[in-house]
This record gives sequence, structure tokens and C-alpha cells, in this order.
Amino acid sequence: GQNIDQPTEMTATEGAIVQINCTYQTSGFNGLFWYQQHAGEAPTFLSYNVLDGLEEKGRFSSFLSRSKGYSYLLLKELQMKDSASYLCAVRDQANNLFFGTGTRLTVIP
Amino acid sequence: DVKVTQSSRYLVKRTGEKVFLECVQDMDHENMFWYRQDPGLGLRLIYFSYDVKMKEKGDIPEGYSVSREKKERFSLILESASTNQTSMYLCASSLAGGSGLAGNTIYFGEGSWLTVV
Repeated sequence: GQNIDQPTEMTATEGAIVQINCTYQTSGFNGLFWYQQHAGEAPTFLSYNVLDGLEEKGRFSSFLSRSKGYSYLLLKELQMKDSASYLCAVRDQANNLFFGTGTRLTVIP
Repeated sequence: DVKVTQSSRYLVKRTGEKVFLECVQDMDHENMFWYRQDPGLGLRLIYFSYDVKMKEKGDIPEGYSVSREKKERFSLILESASTNQTSMYLCASSLAGGSGLAGNTIYFGEGSWLTVV
């Protein structure tokens, strides 16, 4: 079966750095995705990791350790518009995508 | 840019009604998906399709059916709507294959908010 865990809620201050963790247990692994979802809107793709290490894309970075079943999303120089839910999703070798329940991030002034 | 369009953004239906949710994608993607999203439960897969006229059950197919007559269109059908089907429904699409390429990213439509009363 699949099990994906991430914190339910986090709060951080504008301008700061925040790290959102995701741990997973899947039958086979074929990539991990991070999505951003603003309230009332559809998820939008942020990042993709399939090999161990850090992928950087502007203010956002995503890290993967396959041996530990662990990923994190790092957001730097937080802005108010970064307040959203962040979804971790893992794809198994059958190309099925499984989502965590999401982490709701609130950025405060 | 990939565009996934869901025809209805907000619907209110009565218990027992038949409901159609339509989804169209314009990027010639082979795979299409229907999810529902509920507070505290995250995204749950209802049905998916890897090709025209193909369908596969996801995690929660009960009470739903789907239709994929054309590659670009994937419809979700609630034969007899019930109040526990009140939810946000998300359609998504992706290229075929499980090679791990980032191009197999799933792209979502804007969502359809369904309320069954």
C-alpha cells in the first residue's frame, strides 16, 4: 500500500525560510512531486524529483532521499502569496500517483 | 501551456439526480484522471483512463462511472447523486508512460464544486 505523511499546518513569517517535510512508503518508486494549491483553486505543479538530491527552482527547492523515503520542499524569502496548501505526491512504478493530505502554510507579516 | 478545462465550476444538484462532469484537455495527453478532494482526506482517485474507451477504477469508484469516447474528453458520471458526493472534483491529464520523466507531470483543471442537496 501507499502511505504519505506531511504536517497538517505550518505558520511562518514573511521573508523567512520554511521547510515542509514529506515521508512516504510506497510499493515501488517512480518520482515525487510537489504541488501548490491556493484555496478554492486547482493544484499547480511546483517540482519533481526522481533522483536523490536537491532541485532548485527560484525561491523553491525540493530535496529527495529515496533510501529514507523522505522529501522536503524549501521556500525562501517567503511572500504573503505563498500562503497555500502544499501537496506531496508519489508515483509508483505502475504510474499511479498518490497524494498526501497537504500542508496548509500560513505566511504572517 | 497545458490546458485542462472543466465545463462546470459550481453545481447544485438534488439527491437522486444524474450528474455529468465534463473535462477536456488540449495537449493530446493519453492519460486522464478524476479525483475528488475533501478536507482532511486530500486528493483521492476515482477513475482514470490510459486510452480512448479504456477506464480503470481508482481508490473510490463506488457511485461513479466514466466515459472516454474521444482522447481529449473524459466525463465523470454520478448515476444517482447522494449527499456524500458533495465535494470538489478535479480532472487531470498527463502524457503516457511511467519512465519517470518530468513530462509525465499531471496537470489539473480548475475544479468543479458539486453540492448535492
